[in-house]
Amino acid sequence: AQSVTQLDSQVPVFEEAPVELRCNYSSSVSVYLFWYVQYPNQGLQLLLKYLSGSTLVKGINGFEAEFNKSQTSFHLRKPSVHISDTAEYFCAVSTSGSRLTFGEGTQLTVNP
Amino acid sequence: EAQVTQNPRYLITVTGKKLTVTCSQNMNHEYMSWYRQDPGLGLRQIYYSMNVEVTDKGDVPEGYKVSRKEKRNFPLILESPSPNQTSLYFCASSSLQGLQETQYFGPGTRLLVL
Repeated sequence: AQSVTQLDSQVPVFEEAPVELRCNYSSSVSVYLFWYVQYPNQGLQLLLKYLSGSTLVKGINGFEAEFNKSQTSFHLRKPSVHISDTAEYFCAVSTSGSRLTFGEGTQLTVNP
Repeated sequence: EAQVTQNPRYLITVTGKKLTVTCSQNMNHEYMSWYRQDPGLGLRQIYYSMNVEVTDKGDVPEGYKVSRKEKRNFPLILESPSPNQTSLYFCASSSLQGLQETQYFGPGTRLLVL
């Protein structure tokens, strides 16, 4: 069975600073990896996903993530954050199509 | 507009009083799923459905029932709610055309069981 660990439950940063949200996964087979974002009082929406090919994946709103198979990681990065990026971010892994396993979530708070 | 809708958005009930949370999608998706979100635990899958009349347990199915009589609807039923089912619930849907489907989430239903 697969599992996902998000290493930071809360990440506070200042506006225009870079940010990295860390995600490690565990699986005995090939994986598909996702980052979802949840803005306050809303449902989740897809930020980006890794399926195959290039290990650097670009998503919406300037976010990108890098798949590292040897370290079983899929960290999310943004070079300069905005106040509007304040949200909860979920890493998720799938090994059998639509059955997703989510991490515990990381609350990103961007301060002025 | 492509969307997943849930009703109600907020619900307060008492222990043992049966309730149903509805979920509907207008994207003709085969796959639908229910999750609950609890602080520090992320999202955990309750039940999922691969198509009409095909449902299966997720990671935390105890205390819940589902049905899939129509492709667009996937209601979540709590026959006898208990306080430990107080949570934020999300319905999601996706296509089964590939193994890399994006899931589309509803806005959530916040349930409080007293």
